[in-house]
Amino acid sequence: EDQVTQSPEALRLQEGESSSLNCSYTVSGLRGLFWYRQDPGKGPEFLFTLYSAGEEKEKERLKATLTKKESFLHITAPKPEDSATYLCAVRDYNTDKLIFGTGTRLQVFP
Amino acid sequence: NAGVTQTPKFQVLKTGQSMTLQCAQDMNHNSMYWYRQDPGMGLRLIYYSASEGTTDKGEVPNGYNVSRLNKREFSLRLESAAPSQTSVYFCASSTGEVESPLHFGNGTRLTVT
Repeated sequence: EDQVTQSPEALRLQEGESSSLNCSYTVSGLRGLFWYRQDPGKGPEFLFTLYSAGEEKEKERLKATLTKKESFLHITAPKPEDSATYLCAVRDYNTDKLIFGTGTRLQVFP
Repeated sequence: NAGVTQTPKFQVLKTGQSMTLQCAQDMNHNSMYWYRQDPGMGLRLIYYSASEGTTDKGEVPNGYNVSRLNKREFSLRLESAAPSQTSVYFCASSTGEVESPLHFGNGTRLTVT
């Protein structure tokens, strides 16, 4: 069964304290893995798409990486404005179905 | 450039009442989607429209109907609201290519009492 699991559920960081969020997935084949950021009361905002193992994408303090079974979202020297829920979604190659994880809620304190 | 616009932002219904959630996109996207988001669960697909003139059921279609009014607009209707439909509803659009990301609106928070 297709499944996407994100960990941890919640993460509290001090400003400047780097860390990583994990998205592990089980699909018959990967067509794409998507990272989104969601602020309270808002819709998810697209960040990155990764397609194949070994691929990396960067945007400001965020870097997403992909292996055959999981993706990491690395946050370097985070700032309070990076506080949000980060969602991962995976599209199955055979069914085209898009499966969302439940997200990691990140809080960065000054 | 507004992206995906949803109305209303908030709504309270009594059990059995009906309502329509409206969604419009200005990105000339072919595909549009309706999702619901509940605490502790990932976004779940209710209905989608791959292109103008077509609609298909998603993972949780029961109790809902949709209309793709034109390329820009995709509405979601609750004919007889139930407390289990209390949720946050998101509309999204994409180019329609399977590798393309979804672009979301800011949601409608619906409470059914």
